[in-house]
Amino acid sequence: DGGITQSPKYLFRKEGQNVTLSCEQNLNHDAMYWYRQDPGQGLRLIYYSQIVNDFQKGDIAEGYSVSREKKESFPLTVTSAQKNPTAFYLCASSGQGLGAYGYTFGSGTRLTVV
Amino acid sequence: DAKTTQPPSMDCAEGRAANLPCNHSTISGNEYVYWYRQIHSQGPQYIIHGLKNNETNEMASLIITEDRKSSTLILPHATLRDTAVYYCIVIPTGKLIFGQGTTLQVKP
Repeated sequence: DGGITQSPKYLFRKEGQNVTLSCEQNLNHDAMYWYRQDPGQGLRLIYYSQIVNDFQKGDIAEGYSVSREKKESFPLTVTSAQKNPTAFYLCASSGQGLGAYGYTFGSGTRLTVV
Repeated sequence: DAKTTQPPSMDCAEGRAANLPCNHSTISGNEYVYWYRQIHSQGPQYIIHGLKNNETNEMASLIITEDRKSSTLILPHATLRDTAVYYCIVIPTGKLIFGQGTTLQVKP
């Protein structure tokens, strides 16, 4: 079945450590996205990529970095510069088209920094 | 990007229709209206989308006003499993922006 896989589901890290969240899709989608969600809040866009080897900052990119070396993969690194990294992280992908395609979401990674 | 406005919360009795409104008065001609829902601690799930015409699928119906400035998502027979946060999103090309959504509580 086609879909998006995020791993791991739960992740614990010590403060000051960088951590990389995985996102893989087999939908042949061109665009991929990373969102952050805090308790009781909506989703906020961190980074997005519409094509391989290209990506743009979203609304809250500070303290995060991404790469898009392959169409299928869009890993997110939470760096030590992110002041409040504990959150629920969601990855999504979409096909090309003028809003004609839906967005598919992964099941999320819950990151806890202690 | 067009902005959407939704009520923060709504209640619905189990078995009744749930009608969730959304205002998108600044929508432009090439922007679609999408609805997603998010059940606690899961990724958002696609429900339905439309451009101008009303749409229906196995999950819901979408009614878009003629001027396209507002829409209503209809869950015809709400069940307890429909309790979730529902997001109305207007999508041009490019990034997907979420608002706060409507928390729908279906009660027995």
